[in-house]
Amino acid sequence: SQKIEQNSEALNIQEGKTATLTCNYTNYSPAYLQWYRQDPGRGPVFLLLIRENEKEKRKERLKVTFDTTLKQSLFHITASQPADSATYLCAPLSGNTPLVFGKGTRLSVIA
Amino acid sequence: EAQVTQNPRYLITVTGKKLTVTCSQNMNHEYMSWYRQDPGLGLRQIYYSMNVEVTDKGDVPEGYKVSRKEKRNFPLILESPSPNQTSLYFCASSSLVAGGTDTQYFGPGTRLTVL
Repeated sequence: SQKIEQNSEALNIQEGKTATLTCNYTNYSPAYLQWYRQDPGRGPVFLLLIRENEKEKRKERLKVTFDTTLKQSLFHITASQPADSATYLCAPLSGNTPLVFGKGTRLSVIA
Repeated sequence: EAQVTQNPRYLITVTGKKLTVTCSQNMNHEYMSWYRQDPGLGLRQIYYSMNVEVTDKGDVPEGYKVSRKEKRNFPLILESPSPNQTSLYFCASSSLVAGGTDTQYFGPGTRLTVL
């Protein structure tokens, strides 16, 4: 069955450092992968989408990579700020199948 | 403003008392879905709908019903709620593009407690 793993439940980093979150998937080949941010008690909010033929995508301080050989996506936040503290979810998507989310990584940026 | 609305936002009920959580979107999206979120388990899909009158089970459909009579609305029905359905529920919608669903827009969530 399809499986999505995000590297850790929680990640603590110092303000100003780069946060790197990992999303691994098995048993399917997504055409693209989405990343979402979720704050406590709120619905996830879309951040970035990367397609299988794209190696890297950037948006302001965010960078996403997609390695279809390793079946992995990395999500980077550079110059992290306390306001970046949230849970980040990945969602690989393959064809017309329902979107399935990883359990998320809770990022805490410490001032 | 493009949005997904859910009502109620908070609900405390008792075992066995039927309830409906409404979901509505104003973006003319074909795809709508319901998720529940529990600590340590992440977002799990309950039901989804690719278009009007088309619904399919997600990963955890037991104890839930849905209907899609209109494109904009996708209510979630709990015919006989039980305490294990206490959870945070999210409705989401998106357009359908070649290759699958587009960006998901989520509602604000409904926190349900079943006593």
